[in-house]
Amino acid sequence: GIQVEQSPPDLILQEGANSTLRCNFSDSVNNLQWFHQNPWGQLINLFYIPSGTKQNGRLSATTVATERYSLLYISSSQTTDSGVYFCAVSVDNQGGKLIFGQGTELSVKP
Amino acid sequence: KAGVTQTPRYLIKTRGQQVTLSCSPISGHRSVSWYQQTPGQGLQFLFEYFSETQRNKGNFPGRFSGRQFSNSRSEMNVSTLELGDSALYLCASSLVASSYNEQFFGPGTRLTVL
Repeated sequence: GIQVEQSPPDLILQEGANSTLRCNFSDSVNNLQWFHQNPWGQLINLFYIPSGTKQNGRLSATTVATERYSLLYISSSQTTDSGVYFCAVSVDNQGGKLIFGQGTELSVKP
Repeated sequence: KAGVTQTPRYLIKTRGQQVTLSCSPISGHRSVSWYQQTPGQGLQFLFEYFSETQRNKGNFPGRFSGRQFSNSRSEMNVSTLELGDSALYLCASSLVASSYNEQFFGPGTRLTVL
């Protein structure tokens, strides 16, 4: 089956710094989503981005489907950005099933 | 529009018991999926329901089962609980059971098995 790999596994930043999180996937996908898991465990939707570029405030994402990777950019990071970021994909013939990467744990220090 | 709701939020059970978790999708969404999150295995797909039918199933033992009702609400059941079933159980909803649809998650049910 498809493999989803995220890097780096851990990231520590000072408040105000920028960061780039990467998601590589091993096969073509129909859907790619980025999530932020809050301290209580809920997955918050950041982007639905099977291809192209999107921006939402300090966050932006780019997916290059032909090269099988996606990038999540966080600019001017804040302590509230801390948490785990997941990338998840879905593929043909598996309905809405999402296959998740292992996540990037981000810690933003004041 | 209300988001995905899950009940209960926390649950403590003992080995051998069974448990039922509930999920109500976003209004108008007809597909519900369930995921298990553990520190060792990460987020793993359990099953997906659409129009009261299981459309897709992950690699979990038969002790894990689910169903969906005509109002799209879904329940999952775990029988004969084991210590390893301790996990965060997340439910996701989408419009239909399609790999092109965006999925939205509920707050989760944290199950502890003693």
